[in-house]
Amino acid sequence: SQQGEEDPQALSIQEGENATMNCSYKTSINNLQWYRQNSGRGLVHLILIRSNEREKHSGRLRVTLDTSKKSSSLLITASRAADTASYFCATDYSGYSTLTFGKGTMLLVSP
Amino acid sequence: DVKVTQSSRYLVKRTGEKVFLECVQDMDHENMFWYRQDPGLGLRLIYFSYDVKMKEKGDIPEGYSVSREKKERFSLILESASTNQTSMYLCASSLQGAPSYGYTFGSGTRLTVV
Repeated sequence: SQQGEEDPQALSIQEGENATMNCSYKTSINNLQWYRQNSGRGLVHLILIRSNEREKHSGRLRVTLDTSKKSSSLLITASRAADTASYFCATDYSGYSTLTFGKGTMLLVSP
Repeated sequence: DVKVTQSSRYLVKRTGEKVFLECVQDMDHENMFWYRQDPGLGLRLIYFSYDVKMKEKGDIPEGYSVSREKKERFSLILESASTNQTSMYLCASSLQGAPSYGYTFGSGTRLTVV
């Protein structure tokens, strides 16, 4: 499987702190995407970073990509209780627009 | 607001039944996908489709089939449901050639096979 792996599996922080999640993958990719899943619901697309990009920002989200290490990180700044969710990285490596998802990081943000 | 709608939120079926999971999108997306999500295993791709009447096997197609007769509708069929198909099933769609928008997911169908 070409599945990405998120690290850590679970993360617990206080409101206002930053949360960092990492993703490693195995083969060359076209792009890497991050998704959020609130408990028992569908996933929501957060951000995409292409293989020729190193960093991307969207609001409180910052994503980095290091293709030499085959890894990515998602930083959520000034976290809020509403950020509590599971976060998944997904890689598009096939060129056919199919995504391979990791197992996710569960983030708990306490008030 | 764009949407992917899965017909059932919760479903309980008996072993051996033929089960249909329906997914409809209103975004005129070409690509549609079916994943299953299990604890500790993440999301795994079952089948996908790039166009009407086209289908491609994903990573775990065994025991499943799909139908795409219309662009907006992608159905997942469990030919003879088994207890190991108890899972959360997620449908998604995407616009061909526009990966920046990512996938749009439905809310999921939690299927229990007894």
